Amino acid sequence: GAVVSQHPSRVICKSGTSVKIECRSLDFQATTMFWYRQFPKQSLMLMATSNEGSKATYEQGVEKDKFLINHASLTLSTLTVTSAHPEDSSFYICSAKGGRIDTTEAFFGQGTRLTVV
Amino acid sequence: AQSVTQLGSHVSVSEGALVLLRCNYSSSVPPYLFWYVQYPNQGLQLLLKYTSAATLVKGINGFEAEFKKSETSFHLTKPSAHMSDAAEYFCAVSGGGKLIFGQGTELSVKP
Repeated sequence: GAVVSQHPSRVICKSGTSVKIECRSLDFQATTMFWYRQFPKQSLMLMATSNEGSKATYEQGVEKDKFLINHASLTLSTLTVTSAHPEDSSFYICSAKGGRIDTTEAFFGQGTRLTVV
Repeated sequence: AQSVTQLGSHVSVSEGALVLLRCNYSSSVPPYLFWYVQYPNQGLQLLLKYTSAATLVKGINGFEAEFKKSETSFHLTKPSAHMSDAAEYFCAVSGGGKLIFGQGTELSVKP
């Protein structure tokens, strides 16, 4: 299958600072990328969907000013957690699709463990 | 709206035994269904997908799933569990361009 690389795999930041997480599709063009948040022992919660060249669509309850998503190219999307607080600590996972139809499978990055201290 | 429900948050089997992980879906249109596996602190890996072709779908690592419209089910099975199968499994339905996940089922395999 296609490869999606997410970086960093772990990050610790101080409360009040911002942290950027990168998601790259290495061997295909990702027309759509998704960002998820996962709490311990829970399922994935979709935060936002981004299509290349357009603004991200955020799910209800997700603060767009806090979780900035940029999908500037067909191989890169970034999630920036601004003014991070301990409650933002979580496992963040990106996924990417090479097409926009529902039968197209999504490929997932390895995830980023964010700890805000 | 589409949704999936995974019955049983935790399933435990003995090595060599049958694995059965249950997933029921709700969809007003023909669904596209997926099973993913997640190992600790990692992303998700696709096991198999149903996209309205054959109702019995074979995936990687010996897993397969059968789409049953009458039962609105897409249960995941493997004839013989291996220790390396211990992981979290997610059923998902695709709709509106995005994946909607079930709650997940943790599979434990006893020696």
